[in-house]
Amino acid sequence: AQSVTQPDIHITVSEGASLELRCNYSYGATPYLFWYVQSPGQGLQLLLKYFSGDTLVQGIKGFEAEFKRSQSSFNLRKPSVHWSDAAEYFCAVGAKGYQKVTFGTGTKLQVIP
Amino acid sequence: DTGVSQDPRHKITKRGQNVTFRCDPISEHNRLYWYRQTLGQGPEFLTYFQNEAQLEKSRLLSDRFSAERPKGSFSTLEIQRTEQGDSAMYLCASSLPGTSDTGELFFGEGSRLTVL
Repeated sequence: AQSVTQPDIHITVSEGASLELRCNYSYGATPYLFWYVQSPGQGLQLLLKYFSGDTLVQGIKGFEAEFKRSQSSFNLRKPSVHWSDAAEYFCAVGAKGYQKVTFGTGTKLQVIP
Repeated sequence: DTGVSQDPRHKITKRGQNVTFRCDPISEHNRLYWYRQTLGQGPEFLTYFQNEAQLEKSRLLSDRFSAERPKGSFSTLEIQRTEQGDSAMYLCASSLPGTSDTGELFFGEGSRLTVL
């Protein structure tokens, strides 16, 4: 069974500071990995995804994530956070041909001036 | 607006009543998913459809829950004899045919259910 762990429930960063959100997954085969963002009152939006190839993937809004198979991790990063990045971020794992995507419990990001 | 739409956005009901949620996916998407999200948790998979066929159901979907997609377009999720534990946000998502193996989901804003 696939599972996702997001160890940080809540993170606070200053505007302009760098950000890293942690994600660890458990899956026997090659995973498909995703990061979604959920802003208040809005639906989940895909930030980026990894299927294969280059382990550093670029997404929207200046986000990137790096797949590290040896650590079973897919951490999300952004070099400089903007106040509009305050939201909840979900890491998710899926697999080719398998429709169920499993989400982590989320990390709520607070951005302070 | 051509995104996934859900109706109603909020529903308050008394325990024991039946409720129904509707989801209209993006028009060219042939796969439709229902997820449930409770406070402090990530979305949990409930079920998915390819066209009108319901192909997978989670064990979370008790016999009080039923989902349909009769013409392969919109879908409904009905909860019978609601319980307080059913209080949650019910999320609908759809996916593109060409990338439907990838789990790249387009979500609606959700229908929030409160059972008193």
